[in-house]
Amino acid sequence: SQKIEQNSEALNIQEGKTATLTCNYTNYSPAYLQWYRQDPGRGPVFLLLIRENEKEKRKERLKVTFDTTLKQSLFHITASQPADSATYLCARAESSGNTGKLIFGQGTTLQVKP
Amino acid sequence: DTGVSQDPRHKITKRGQNVTFRCDPISEHNRLYWYRQTLGQGPEFLTYFQNEAQLEKSRLLSDRFSAERPKGSFSTLEIQRTEQGDSAMYLCASSSGTGGPPLHFGNGTRLTVT
Repeated sequence: SQKIEQNSEALNIQEGKTATLTCNYTNYSPAYLQWYRQDPGRGPVFLLLIRENEKEKRKERLKVTFDTTLKQSLFHITASQPADSATYLCARAESSGNTGKLIFGQGTTLQVKP
Repeated sequence: DTGVSQDPRHKITKRGQNVTFRCDPISEHNRLYWYRQTLGQGPEFLTYFQNEAQLEKSRLLSDRFSAERPKGSFSTLEIQRTEQGDSAMYLCASSSGTGGPPLHFGNGTRLTVT
């Protein structure tokens, strides 16, 4: 079965540094991977999508990469701020037929210290 | 607010009772999803609707769970004879007619079964 694996250990970094979160997947490469942010007691909020044929995608201070050889996506937040503290979820569609049926990783909690 | 709304936000119930949750998706979205999330884990797919038709149910969804979307607008998720293992956050999400990403999540209903 397909799986998404994220580092379950919390990531603690100093304000201003770059945070890098890892997402590994099994089996065949998905057409795209998605990243969501989740704050405590709230639902996930979509951040970025990267397609299989895109090596890198950027949005403001966020950058996502997709390496089909390593079966891995990296999510970077540059110039991190305490407001970036949250849990970040990586997800793939289970199949091309139902793209809203997502398989999520367990999420990585980021804590940015001032 | 034109986002996905869920009601109630919190529900505490005794084991064996029935509970019902409501989800109002973004009005122009015809796809609606239910997910369940336990502490420290990512959301897990439960079921999905396209308009009023329930097109897929996860094997996670026991016979005690039933979901409806009678007019293709709001949806309800009912759990009968609740068990302590049902304690979780129940998330609703919607997406546009193409079914493509992203999913727009509500802030969930937190269920506690005592």
